[in-house]
Formats: sequence, C-alpha cells, structure tokens
Amino acid sequence: DVQLVESGGGLVQPGGSLRLSCAASGFTFSAYWMHWVRQAPGKGLVWVSGINSDGRSIFYADSVKGRIIISRDNAKNTLFLQMNSLRAEDMAMYYCARSEYSNSGFDLWGQGTLVTVSS
Amino acid sequence: DIVMTQSPLSLPVTPGEPASISCRSSQSLLYSNGRNYLHWYLQKPGQSPQLLIYLGSNRASGVPDRFSGSGSGTDFTLKISRVEADDVGLYYCMQALQIPLTFGGGTKVEIK
Repeated sequence: DVQLVESGGGLVQPGGSLRLSCAASGFTFSAYWMHWVRQAPGKGLVWVSGINSDGRSIFYADSVKGRIIISRDNAKNTLFLQMNSLRAEDMAMYYCARSEYSNSGFDLWGQGTLVTVSS
Repeated sequence: DIVMTQSPLSLPVTPGEPASISCRSSQSLLYSNGRNYLHWYLQKPGQSPQLLIYLGSNRASGVPDRFSGSGSGTDFTLKISRVEADDVGLYYCMQALQIPLTFGGGTKVEIK
C-alpha cells in the first residue's frame, strides 16, 4: 500500500526534545518532496517544514526556525523531524505529507503523531 | 508571508443542494507559467487532510466530479454541486507560490 506512517510523538516537558519519524512505503520515496504540517487541538493546519527529494533544499516556518531540523534517509524511506527547545505552542498533531514539487499539492498524508508539551 | 482568508467560517448545507467556499490571498497566486498555485484540502472528522483540488481547478485522483475549483490571481472558489453527507468536514485552501506555504483558516461544512 502507498502510505506514510508517523511515529515518535508523546509527552515532553517544556524545553525538551523529541524526534519524529515518518516511514514511507509503496512509492519511490526519493522522488518526492516531503513536508511536516501541524495542527494544534481545535485549530487549523500550519506548514512547518519542507525538504526536497535529495535533502539539499530545506525550508522552515519562522515559528520553528532554529529549534527544528528536518532530514531524510532515502535509503530507509524515512523522514525525520528533530524538535528541540519545545514550547507549549508546539503542542499539536504532526502530519507528514508528500508533494511532487515544492509547490505541488500534498497528495499523500500520514495519520499523524501527537506531540504534547506539558510539565 | 501570504495571508489566506476563507469564508464563510461555517457552512450548514442541505444534502443535494450546492455549496460554495471562498478563498482569497493577500498576493496573486498566478505565476508567469499561467498556473495558480492554490490547492484545496478536505479534512473529514477524525481523519488526516486529503487533497481535493490542485493548481486551482484540477481534481485530485479519486475526487468526485461534484467538486470543482475555479478562480485566478487572488480570488478562488471551491464548489460542491450537490452536497452529500460524506462531504462534511473542514475545508482548507493553501497557497504554494511562496515559502512559507500558508493555509486558510478553514471552513466547516456541516449538514443542516
């Protein structure tokens, strides 16, 4: 099946770190841009970060720049999001999604992994 | 950043009747290649978002033809010709012309 499966979410204290993973299957992972999109409880969608197919072009939203690192391992068909210095406002469901180009629609989404930031 | 504004916030609809959602951008999304970098998504209750319309007017794979997208520049519209019960959820527009990619605030479609 063509799918994305996120993992790594959980409860973390303010200031803590977390590493999210997104495992891809059923398609040529290395041919696609990949993105992270988050959704705070009861709120809308917010784009967080994107990475091109070979990992050389990376972009971040200003709200996470300097605290979050996106990366990918094309040999293992996996996307990552290293989250540091977490704040209460980072608490959200985090989705990974793919696109053919940086400006294409996100045509495949994972089920999401929940990050809770609380003491 | 490009600001995306959707209206209405909430849209009660009667099954079988049409529905329309508006999305406006703070800058033109029309690129020199003639494409509008505007996409529409539907997030059904308890589910991940799914792509409905890409580049303003193209239905994604598997999307019923009762969904259509139109518009250019800064004004876009998503139309459902005859609403079905399965169409309830949150509808989002998203601009992909410029980083950071930005979403509209969402429109909640519910059955009357």
